[in-house]
Amino acid sequence: QKEVEQDPGPLSVPEGAIVSLNCTYSNSAFQYFMWYRQYSRKGPELLMYTYSSGNKEDGRFTAQVDKSSKYISLFIRDSQPSDSATYLCAMSYSGGSNYKLTFGKGTLLTVNP
Amino acid sequence: DSGVTQTPKHLITATGQRVTLRCSPRSGDLSVYWYQQSLDQGLQFLIQYYNGEERAKGNILERFSAQQFPDLHSELNLSSLELGDSALYFCASSVGTEETQYFGPGTRLLVL
Repeated sequence: QKEVEQDPGPLSVPEGAIVSLNCTYSNSAFQYFMWYRQYSRKGPELLMYTYSSGNKEDGRFTAQVDKSSKYISLFIRDSQPSDSATYLCAMSYSGGSNYKLTFGKGTLLTVNP
Repeated sequence: DSGVTQTPKHLITATGQRVTLRCSPRSGDLSVYWYQQSLDQGLQFLIQYYNGEERAKGNILERFSAQQFPDLHSELNLSSLELGDSALYFCASSVGTEETQYFGPGTRLLVL
């Protein structure tokens, strides 16, 4: 089983739709959970990060973490064509000299006008 | 623009060769991270430096090495290059917290 699983899509939605992106993971040591957006031929851009379980909202974006199910989600409300990109989940833990950061392979999202 | 710069943007070389990729972090950031992104492996964390010292290692091959200089810029050295090393190499920086990383535009390496 891969440490982080993310459906690669592609996912195509009409403008204004609610988008749900998800990742599952197997390592219960992960503490920090991030979502990055990557436009074609650009570097990833941090959208949101959360620590442990719970929800976090930032504008049209909501991140959810369910550590009991080892499942994280990113919701995008009122999706716009400019949201078309690849979305990468990432998770990490650190303690002493140990640090691990793992990315999902990304979900390609297209929002159609 | 994240404030992280990487040079060169593109690099074409041959198998067996050695290349050096350069990264300048955002002003004030002490940590630098290197990543490799390929279609089949996705984004892989290679190595992190904090204020000149190696802090964490990921999936970095022994043929690869990195360093961070006193002015905080970093270089990633790739040697004995193989076809499979063709990928996008990203540098990221952060003040000191791993979670809030800012990525550069990347260097696209093609090994022929």
